[in-house]
Amino acid sequence: NAGVTQTPKFQVLKTGQSMTLQCAQDMNHNSMYWYRQDPGMGLRLIYYSASEGTTDKGEVPNGYNVSRLNKREFSLRLESAAPSQTSVYFCASRRGGVSEETQYFGPGTRLLVL
Amino acid sequence: SQKIEQNSEALNIQEGKTATLTCNYTNYSPAYLQWYRQDPGRGPVFLLLIRENEKEKRKERLKVTFDTTLKQSLFHITASQPADSATYLCALNSGYSTLTFGKGTMLLVSP
Repeated sequence: NAGVTQTPKFQVLKTGQSMTLQCAQDMNHNSMYWYRQDPGMGLRLIYYSASEGTTDKGEVPNGYNVSRLNKREFSLRLESAAPSQTSVYFCASRRGGVSEETQYFGPGTRLLVL
Repeated sequence: SQKIEQNSEALNIQEGKTATLTCNYTNYSPAYLQWYRQDPGRGPVFLLLIRENEKEKRKERLKVTFDTTLKQSLFHITASQPADSATYLCALNSGYSTLTFGKGTMLLVSP
């Protein structure tokens, strides 16, 4: 099993450009998450999908959109990138249900917005 | 919303000693608390989970305690090794399916 995979690994954008970060998991997990991690700020939840067909805002959703394409895939879109969105983005998944609280993280996407 | 405090200063210890990391939280008591390890340039990796009705949990050289009265969890690594050097994150459930993470504490184990 590859676990949680993310593409791309690195990306440089200019202000105003758009891009989509891709995430896929092969563990048949129900829930998926997008976080951003900034120095001194820790991991902050952007959006999540508790189950296929649902998405909800997290702590810092402004400037982002998400799509739960199917059970395996959860994408994060930046419509008009801003320098404040320079960060490391992590996707995570969780089986879901009682006693299944562990989250499994991908390797991250490092995004620089100039 | 839940606020989580972890020591922002790096913890430096010698190989073989016990490392103790602290996680304090405010507001409501979570149903469970988790600890993750994060190495530079990588995503966090789950280590241990402890529930509100458990006082202590162990896994090999790792031990976690959970004091809901003090609103505190302690994470211990016994017989620490240089390979234990990493950032350790505390996380609490903040909803049915979401976690709130602390900012993490960096542990440096010197030979």
